[in-house]
Amino acid sequence: QSVLTQPPSASGTPGQRVIISCSGSNSNIGDNLVNWYQQFPGTAPKLLIYSNNQRPSGVPARFSGSKSGTSASLAISGLQSDDEADYYCAAWDDSLNGPVFGGGTKLTVL
Amino acid sequence: QITLKESGPTLVKPTQTLTLTCTFSGFSLSTTGVAVGWIRQPPGKALEWLALIYWDDDKRYSPSLKSRLTITKDTSKNQVVLTITNMDPVDTATYYCAHRGFRGFDSWGQGTLVTVSS
Repeated sequence: QSVLTQPPSASGTPGQRVIISCSGSNSNIGDNLVNWYQQFPGTAPKLLIYSNNQRPSGVPARFSGSKSGTSASLAISGLQSDDEADYYCAAWDDSLNGPVFGGGTKLTVL
Repeated sequence: QITLKESGPTLVKPTQTLTLTCTFSGFSLSTTGVAVGWIRQPPGKALEWLALIYWDDDKRYSPSLKSRLTITKDTSKNQVVLTITNMDPVDTATYYCAHRGFRGFDSWGQGTLVTVSS
């Protein structure tokens, strides 16, 4: 049972916009910054979004993040087949005194 | 360019102690604000944070595993070591080490699969 809650799956067709949600509490998302990670099968996670809505160098602008209260979202616009992967949200948790992850969302491009 | 690589046994027996080493380059663990963390992922399951060690030797552990974990660093060797005692089959997972800066875990090792079986 992960501390942050994500839908287990999401899907969309090429070109569509997909939003993945991440729900937490005051001790994590409510008071701290949110990161998003992208993971392809058999590979290590890759930082996709940091500080709620910042993209590391090399991450396409199609990926965007937002946060409101104790929830965060990752939006992927202009969906491509290459976006098919698992996506994880993460945030520091003040109660646990460490980072926490969501359960992950498997994105399927139909 | 930051790189990290995990090393250690691929198979351990139940009740044994697992020792994993993270060898890194491209940064120093004596630089203010820098940390190295360990995260694991059981097959087909989600990421789970285990431990974190900071440049000033401050250490943080997952509360659910704290009694079994020890994290240490050797700054001169650019290594971080994680030990997990009393291994159980449920600890079977890919173990990752990662660099943590102001952006969170921004660089990850390739991971190492550890299987716990008799």
